[in-house]
Parts: sequence; structure tokens; C-alpha cells
Amino acid sequence: NAGVMQNPRHLVRRRGQEARLRCSPMKGHSHVYWYRQLPEEGLKFMVYLQKENIIDESGMPKERFSAEFPKEGPSILRIQQVVRGDSAAYFCASSPSRPSGANVLTFGAGSRLTVL
Amino acid sequence: GQQVMQIPQYQHVQEGEDFTTYCNSSTTLSNIQWYKQRPGGHPVFLIQLVKSGEVKKQKRLTFQFGEAKKNSSLHITATQTTDVGTYFCAGPAGGTSYGKLTFGQGTILTVHP
Repeated sequence: NAGVMQNPRHLVRRRGQEARLRCSPMKGHSHVYWYRQLPEEGLKFMVYLQKENIIDESGMPKERFSAEFPKEGPSILRIQQVVRGDSAAYFCASSPSRPSGANVLTFGAGSRLTVL
Repeated sequence: GQQVMQIPQYQHVQEGEDFTTYCNSSTTLSNIQWYKQRPGGHPVFLIQLVKSGEVKKQKRLTFQFGEAKKNSSLHITATQTTDVGTYFCAGPAGGTSYGKLTFGQGTILTVHP
């Protein structure tokens, strides 16, 4: 019963390096979301993807951040040239494609990024 | 833009006491969801409320959705140490029907044994 799988669980990067976070949705789910959680804050929507399509990226910073969900393989959130302010927990979530329950999210364990 | 506010931000209770957190949205919501996040963990879905005035119970937890569909509450009766965590409410952002949610900032519950 694999839920939403994220890796790495913890990632340390120096300023200017790249961070790649991966997410495999729950079996039977075709919708993937990325959320960011700053320390002691709520979750902020970043992007919503389906296979090979970015549906809504209204929460993504305009620069340095990108996301993809290829036909084969996990969804990837990529952060280029990381800065200290990128330090946060990045949660991936998935939902089923049927209309009922389409906005109920199953979250992964998260990837905690620390930028030195 | 849409805002979802929760109060209180922190709540410390003795084991056995009751706990309530309140959620208010700046806009009418088609539904509201509640999630629980244990310290160091990830958000876990608790419940979704859809109807105006709806009340749902899960064991010691009681969830309400306001008549105007702009506010909600979560009440825990006789807290236990296993209830520790942050409780978030969330509503669809901008009227979307998919999983783009606006989360409240959460209520952090600590329970002293």
C-alpha cells in the first residue's frame, strides 16, 4: 500500500547549488501537487500537474523554480541557484481524478531542504 | 485575495480537557477540509465538510461548517497526548475544484499529561 513517495527526505545544499525533489503519487492518483511549508507556517500551494502537463503554476516563484511530471517516472520539483530563503519543507500531494474527492489531498512525508 | 484565518495559534491543555480551533474564510467556500500534522510529520486528511451547517463526528472530534459556509470549527473532547499536533483547515482556492487549497496557518495543540 504505497502512499505518496517523496525523496530525498532531507537535502542540504549550499547557496547557488541546485535542488531536485522527487515525488511519485499514490497508486491510482494522476494529479500531483507541490506545496511549500516554511517553519511554523501553513502550507502554500505551488503547482498542480498531471502527466506531461502543468495545469496551474500560479503559486510558483517566477524565477529559479520549475516542475514537471513526465509520462514515465516521478514528478520533479527543481530549484536552481538556491538561496537561504528556499529552506523549507516541500510536500507533494496527490488526488484521484474522479470529480468527488478531487480536491482531497494525500500528502507525502515531505522533503526538507536546508540551504547553508 | 482569499484568506483563511485560524485561531488560536497555540493551545496548551491538560490531558482530559477539551480543545476547540476556529477557522474563518474571507470568501464563501464550496467545502472545507481539516488536516492534522504531527510534529515533524506531514499533513493527514481528517475530514471534508460540504453542506451549510453540517456537523460531523469522528470519535472525540466534532467538526462544524457554518451556515454561511465561511467558517468552521474543530472540537476535541477529553484530549489525549496522541492529539498533539497542528490542526489546519483548508478551503478551495479561488473556487477551484481541484486540489489547490488555501490553508489556514494552523493551531498548534500541546497536551500535558
